[in-house]
Amino acid sequence: KQEVTQIPAALSVPEGENLVLNCSFTDSAIYNLQWFRQDPGKGLTSLLLIQSSQREQTSGRLNASLDKSSGRSTLYIAASQPGDSATYLCAVPGSNYKLTFGKGTLLTVNP
Amino acid sequence: DTAVSQTPKYLVTQMGNDKSIKCEQNLGHDTMYWYKQDSKKFLKIMFSYNNKELIINETVPNRFSPKSPDKAHLNLHINSLELGDSAVYFCASSQQNINSPLHFGNGTRLTVT
Repeated sequence: KQEVTQIPAALSVPEGENLVLNCSFTDSAIYNLQWFRQDPGKGLTSLLLIQSSQREQTSGRLNASLDKSSGRSTLYIAASQPGDSATYLCAVPGSNYKLTFGKGTLLTVNP
Repeated sequence: DTAVSQTPKYLVTQMGNDKSIKCEQNLGHDTMYWYKQDSKKFLKIMFSYNNKELIINETVPNRFSPKSPDKAHLNLHINSLELGDSAVYFCASSQQNINSPLHFGNGTRLTVT
């Protein structure tokens, strides 16, 4: 059974800092890994999807890496801004499209 | 242009009542889902439909019954509501492709008193 863990559970940084969020999964036979952002009272927004054959994906100030063999992914946020404050979740799908989510990292960027 | 919309946003009701949550997507996706986010913010899938057919049915009490009248709609009906049903329920959709990202609605916060 796939288990997804995210560390840290919460992170508070000053504006402008670069930061890394971590995600680990127990079953390395994954199709892809997805990173989402959840704002309070809102649904999840898909940020990046890394396919199993890829090692990283970039979108603006976000860079996600994937190391299947070690069961790890990182989300790097460059030059953080207060608007980046949100909960970040990673998820991996099973063969039946069922996503297993981590519990998320609550990020606070202080101005 | 809301891609995945669900109603209502908030739902407060008493134990024993029956309630429904509606979901619609205008993205032309084949697959729709219901997820439950509990008080600890843990997201778990409940159901998935592909072209109106049920493909995932997790261990969910049979008081929960999804209905998909067409591939753009997936409604969730809950009978005999219990206190433990209080949670945020999210609808989502995607293409029928394992590498297609999910698009989520804004959630329905259900409170059972």
